[in-house]
Amino acid sequence: KNEVEQSPQNLTAQEGEFITINCSYSVGISALHWLQQHPGGGIVSLFMLSSGKKKHGRLIATINIQEKHSSLHITASHPRDSAVYICAVPRIQGAQKLVFGQGTRLTINP
Amino acid sequence: EADIYQTPRYLVIGTGKKITLECSQTMGHDKMYWYQQDPGMELHLIHYSYGVNSTEKGDLSSESTVSRIRTEHFPLTLESARPSHTSQYLCASSGTSGRYQLYEQYFGPGTRLTVT
Repeated sequence: KNEVEQSPQNLTAQEGEFITINCSYSVGISALHWLQQHPGGGIVSLFMLSSGKKKHGRLIATINIQEKHSSLHITASHPRDSAVYICAVPRIQGAQKLVFGQGTRLTINP
Repeated sequence: EADIYQTPRYLVIGTGKKITLECSQTMGHDKMYWYQQDPGMELHLIHYSYGVNSTEKGDLSSESTVSRIRTEHFPLTLESARPSHTSQYLCASSGTSGRYQLYEQYFGPGTRLTVT
């Protein structure tokens, strides 16, 4: 079993739909990262959170430390949100070396 | 926007050649990373540096080597490229300096390497 599991692996939706991507992890962590990888390969850090909820524009990330689970939500999805979304956690609590989920490929159709 | 750069962005090279992938950051970060990612697969850490003159291997075994002589520069070298080295290589950095968030990793644009 992978230390970081994401679901779904692939998600196709229509423009405007509310999107949820889930991440479960088995290691103890200090913070969880959500990353976005564009079709060209570049990676952008979206969120780093250790508790509760964070919001940036149409993106919302939540984490439940006790249940070792995080979700990434996208409201009013748009075709430009199409990308691979990656969850990552430190292998050792407090460390900076990350273990990555396999990613969720999101496609938003107009 | 992150101040971390990689060159070249794309490289096609023949088997047996020596190659160096460049990575530089201007954020003053002490920690730098090299990741390897095959198409459609997850990222794997192949090298990590805590600071100048400090490097260690990552989770995924790699035939590449790295050096960290200056804080801002973390090049990766393959002495003899093989088709199995074909992949995307991403460099990242993290630290606590200035306006950059503690522990958040900032990624370069990546180098897509093809060995024929």
